[in-house]
Amino acid sequence: KAGVTQTPRYLIKTRGQQVTLSCSPISGHRSVSWYQQTPGQGLQFLFEYFSETQRNKGNFPGRFSGRQFSNSRSEMNVSTLELGDSALYLCASSDSGEQYFGPGTRLTVT
Amino acid sequence: QQQVKQSPQSLIVQKGGISIINCAYENTAFDYFPWYQQFPGKGPALLIAIRPDVSEKKEGRFTISFNKSAKQFSLHIMDSQPGDSATYFCAASTDYTAAGNKLTFGGGTRVLVKP
Repeated sequence: KAGVTQTPRYLIKTRGQQVTLSCSPISGHRSVSWYQQTPGQGLQFLFEYFSETQRNKGNFPGRFSGRQFSNSRSEMNVSTLELGDSALYLCASSDSGEQYFGPGTRLTVT
Repeated sequence: QQQVKQSPQSLIVQKGGISIINCAYENTAFDYFPWYQQFPGKGPALLIAIRPDVSEKKEGRFTISFNKSAKQFSLHIMDSQPGDSATYFCAASTDYTAAGNKLTFGGGTRVLVKP
């Protein structure tokens, strides 16, 4: 099976803009979770979608949102970007508790 | 309550030696404890995982030891190789069937294996 894919791999945005990141899970996996990775805060859970519904949510502001489509592909959106949003955004797919990560999207906010 | 503490932050070991990374958790509802390996520019890769009903799990050169009463678990990398040089993360979560998938990660350990 193909692994988790994320697009784009790299992104540079300006403060105040918004951004949409995409994740395609492993075929057959219905759960997609998103994580933010920074040198200072480490890996932090953003949210999880399962069968098009948000099932879990981390402690991030409302500027961070997501959705999942009927084919399990997921997108996350960050509005009004801040410099502190610069990070590696990782998505992980799961079908039975084990989570498999994609390569991530490196977002740089200038 | 959700924190997972990982130590050490970095580790240097000679080729053939044993790397040991420790993690401690607070939330007694955690019942799944995976370890991930991450290389620069890559996403974390699931290495090995354990549930509280066993005290040890071994896969190849990687072994997890789990102490439920102390709320601690550790990763041992036997016969460490230069290719094992990476950052290792411990994580924990509650039962995914009841609460879904939400991993709480430790801070990571950067392991360098010297040839």
